Amino acid sequence: QQPVQSPQAVILREGEDAVINCSSSKALYSVHWYRQKHGEAPVFLMILLKGGEQKGHEKISASFNEKKQQSSLYLTASQLSYSGTYFCGTESPYGKLTFGQGTILTVHP
Amino acid sequence: SQTIHQWPATLVQPVGSPLSLECTVEGTSNPNLYWYRQAAGRGLQLLFYSVGIGQISSEVPQNLSASRPQDRQFILSSKKLLLSDSGFYLCAWRGSGEAGELFFGEGSRLTVL
Repeated sequence: QQPVQSPQAVILREGEDAVINCSSSKALYSVHWYRQKHGEAPVFLMILLKGGEQKGHEKISASFNEKKQQSSLYLTASQLSYSGTYFCGTESPYGKLTFGQGTILTVHP
Repeated sequence: SQTIHQWPATLVQPVGSPLSLECTVEGTSNPNLYWYRQAAGRGLQLLFYSVGIGQISSEVPQNLSASRPQDRQFILSSKKLLLSDSGFYLCAWRGSGEAGELFFGEGSRLTVL
């Protein structure tokens, strides 16, 4: 069962912030976040393991609430290069990794 | 260093024709291997994953199949393609037993006419 992402699309101006949410109906082993540019393969952003940790990558950070089976990706002071489709992936203990339907992020000058 | 190769990059096939997409990983052993499909403007759909030779889990029981003839080789096949098989196919790998990132291949864009 794939995770559910919200919102489906976000439009920002440079410098604005955004939050993308990811939720699952099943217990999570870990949560992955990837960004995909049009026509390219997804690129890894970060992974969060069980334990409710928060990680950061430049101005992009994420949190993982395993009790609520939710993760959120935070993009601060967005740049044009942040545009793309963001996917969260949730993992079972047996190596199965399924992705949400994606959130399209567009950053305008 | 590890690399992943996927081919062909692009193909156009008629409905009812067979399909074979190949994926090879170098520089690692016993990787977990994955096949995903992405229809136009859609999300990443998990098709198959494998945690070892001869161990393949299917998520999509339609007209696609996967095989792992060697430790680092993963093949996606179909005997008869459907129009709905069109899409961007992505192979990915990561280390076995690790909660690590997925490394994706360059992708294969399939158009079924």
